[in-house]
Amino acid sequence: GDSVTQMEGPVTLSEEAFLTINCTYTATGYPSLFWYVQYPGEGLQLLLKATKADDKGSNKGFEATYRKETTSFHLEKGSVQVSDSAVYFCALAGNTPLVFGKGTRLSVIA
Amino acid sequence: DAGVIQSPRHEVTEMGQEVTLRCKPISGHNSLFWYRQTMMRGLELLIYFNNNVPIDDSGMPEDRFSAKMPNASFSTLKIQPSEPRDSAVYFCASSQAVGQGHGYTFGSGTRLTVV
Repeated sequence: GDSVTQMEGPVTLSEEAFLTINCTYTATGYPSLFWYVQYPGEGLQLLLKATKADDKGSNKGFEATYRKETTSFHLEKGSVQVSDSAVYFCALAGNTPLVFGKGTRLSVIA
Repeated sequence: DAGVIQSPRHEVTEMGQEVTLRCKPISGHNSLFWYRQTMMRGLELLIYFNNNVPIDDSGMPEDRFSAKMPNASFSTLKIQPSEPRDSAVYFCASSQAVGQGHGYTFGSGTRLTVV
């Protein structure tokens, strides 16, 4: 079945550092890909998405590009802030409900 | 819109008791999902509905779990009897449709503790 693998955390960065969180997927067909963010004590929020190969999703300084050839959707941000500390989930959806990766906890220290 | 509303936010109950979790989806969303989040297993889809009809409940762990959606604005997830291993955060989410390209809106979750 469809699955998502993302790098294990936790990831700890200093403020203004560059962030990459790796995500690869296995799916039949051409799924849509998503990144969700979960702040402490809250539900998941959609951060960005891409619906076809080579699409780039972006939001709040975060970016991810749908790479069909490498089946990847890595999340990047050029300069992280303390307020970016959260758990990030990569997910995919074909014609079935979202399948999530296990999440990567990011801590940004001042 | 107030978003997806779940209640209660926290629930502490004794083993063997019945627990009912509630969800109000976003108006106009046709699909509703129940997920469970634990440290060990991450986010697991329990069941989802499309137009109030249960489509796939294969993620429901045992017969102790049941879910209903009597109308487009309300769903419940019931555990009876509850066990300590049911302790988790339960999320409800809704979407315009199940598949491609449709992001989900999640509620704030219900943190269930069974002692």
